[in-house]
Amino acid sequence: NAGVTQTPKFQVLKTGQSMTLQCAQDMNHNSMYWYRQDPGMGLRLIYYSASEGTTDKGEVPNGYNVSRLNKREFSLRLESAAPSQTSVYFCASSAWTGESPLHFGNGTRLTVT
Amino acid sequence: AQSVTQLGSHVSVSEGALVLLRCNYSSSVPPYLFWYVQYPNQGLQLLLKYTTGATLVKGINGFEAEFKKSETSFHLTKPSAHMSDAAEYFCAVSDRGTGRRALTFGSGTRLQVQP
Repeated sequence: NAGVTQTPKFQVLKTGQSMTLQCAQDMNHNSMYWYRQDPGMGLRLIYYSASEGTTDKGEVPNGYNVSRLNKREFSLRLESAAPSQTSVYFCASSAWTGESPLHFGNGTRLTVT
Repeated sequence: AQSVTQLGSHVSVSEGALVLLRCNYSSSVPPYLFWYVQYPNQGLQLLLKYTTGATLVKGINGFEAEFKKSETSFHLTKPSAHMSDAAEYFCAVSDRGTGRRALTFGSGTRLQVQP
């Protein structure tokens, strides 16, 4: 009954370091998403993958890359972290895009110093 | 692109009082509409959604929302607040039609329930 699993839960990086956030879902969903949450700004879409083999940019893609490794897994990479990327990152999945509701992981709290 | 506005970043009500959280969307074509709730240190959970049909939608935990096309609104209500309703609530929209699309979220409303 895991749903959407994100790792790590917490991470501190220095400016310029790189890291990959991992996300896996066990609901056989086709679509997966990465959002970031900042105070007063709600959730903003970074990238999403409507189905295995496709990825699309969201509202705030600069500084990030993604990989849809297979149907279950969707990773988010920060190549050179910046303090502006300090945020809480959420992975989500849904059966399809559009009217299918999203299922969220518990988030990764990232601090870049 | 869709946009969604939530009026009031913070709402405070007394326990037992009516809860009203406001959401307006921008599109001339009504989108799919959702409300999500986030408890501290957790991800978001779906409260309810409107896709088609009856404009009054019932969700979990006694919440409901009414789609009003003429007002481009999808306000969330609950007749009687409980302490456990204290959380952040997000309205979200998604375009109808075909093609790849993702949810756009509002900026959120934090609900405080006073004893």
